[in-house]
Amino acid sequence: NAGVTQTPKFQVLKTGQSMTLQCAQDMNHEYMSWYRQDPGMGLRLIHYSVGAGITDQGEVPNGYNVSRSTTEDFPLRLLSAAPSQTSVYFCASSISGTRFYEQYFGPGTRLTVT
Amino acid sequence: SQQGEEDPQALSIQEGENATMNCSYKTSINNLQWYRQNSGRGLVHLILIRSNEREKHSGRLRVTLDTSKKSSSLLITASRAADTASYFCATVEEHGTNAGKSTFGDGTTLTVKP
Repeated sequence: NAGVTQTPKFQVLKTGQSMTLQCAQDMNHEYMSWYRQDPGMGLRLIHYSVGAGITDQGEVPNGYNVSRSTTEDFPLRLLSAAPSQTSVYFCASSISGTRFYEQYFGPGTRLTVT
Repeated sequence: SQQGEEDPQALSIQEGENATMNCSYKTSINNLQWYRQNSGRGLVHLILIRSNEREKHSGRLRVTLDTSKKSSSLLITASRAADTASYFCATVEEHGTNAGKSTFGDGTTLTVKP
């Protein structure tokens, strides 16, 4: 199993540009989520999904869209990039049930918005 | 605001010493987890403790939970240089409309000197 994969690893955007961060998992996990991590801080939840076709907002959803058309994929779209969105973005997944809380994280995407 | 807040923010010890990190949270929880993050990497799940548990062990890790004080601690015994990392506590909503919503603290950065 590849686990949770994220692409790209690094990205530089200009203010106002849009892009999609890709996240995929091959563990058949129902739960997937997106976080951002700013320097010296913990993770803040952007959006999450408890299954295909179901998404919900986290703590900091503004400026981001998600969709979950398949169990495997959970892309994060930046609609109009702003310098405040400069951060490291992590995708995570977990199985439901008793191991619901053991999240597996991808390696992250480091995004810079100029 | 973060559900979990770690203390101290940074900790530096010698190899072989024990390291203790604390996490305080604000609302009632069903579970609390600890994660580890090596520099530049994603988070790795270490251990979960449920609200009806007071202590849990996993190898050199010992986690305690005091629901009356809304706090948890992570003890790493006989530390090694390889334990150098940031450690985060996290909670996940289990039920209701926010089921699956995770909240992370800001983390404790541990440095273990050889």
